[in-house]
Amino acid sequence: GAGVSQSPRYKVAKRGQDVALRCDPISGHVSLFWYQQALGQGPEFLTYFQNEAQLDKSGLPSDRFFAERPEGSVSTLKIQRTQQEDSAVYLCASSLNGGLNTEAFFGQGTRLTVV
Amino acid sequence: AQTVTQSQPEMSVQEAETVTLSCTYDTSESNYYLFWYKQPPSRQMILVIRQEAYKQQNATENRFSVNFQKAAKSFSLKISDSQLGDTAMYFCAFMKHRGNKLVFGAGTILRVKS
Repeated sequence: GAGVSQSPRYKVAKRGQDVALRCDPISGHVSLFWYQQALGQGPEFLTYFQNEAQLDKSGLPSDRFFAERPEGSVSTLKIQRTQQEDSAVYLCASSLNGGLNTEAFFGQGTRLTVV
Repeated sequence: AQTVTQSQPEMSVQEAETVTLSCTYDTSESNYYLFWYKQPPSRQMILVIRQEAYKQQNATENRFSVNFQKAAKSFSLKISDSQLGDTAMYFCAFMKHRGNKLVFGAGTILRVKS
């Protein structure tokens, strides 16, 4: 596609519900990133993939958060047993090879509201 | 760990005037990269400008330029001839050399008034 696509754009979940957020990166981009952006704050790193390999998951806040990219393209961020503090915008970004000289392109994010 | 601080939560500027957004950072790294991103209400982060720490020359991109002071760990963004379309949230971000993740500041809301 022309850009990074995320779905859904908005998700309302009841506390305790499981959710899955999808990211379609730009075709051919090797690197994929997930960030969490709380209201009024800057994005915070969650996890990083190079192709299908999850090379860094140091930012995942708890074991309720799980991300995968099984075929090295589409990625899913799953949150189990959602809590109110999980309410945030989840941003996905992709880049050609993850190095500095390749720009990271961001999607429009999924706004998750846990009620 | 690296930290990025943006001390101005909100700024306003008249159309066609110049505005400067501040950013300071803390790191023990000697080589790294700095970025300014724009986030309009659509939420999509757009890269505005980037600076490589080993380059002394300040980066410029059309109406956007930076003042990079490595010793002071300061990286401000100057927007000249401000336009209504510049209204957005602006984030300063840091990346280690050979790193992969961005560390963002809390952002500055910029409003351009007609």
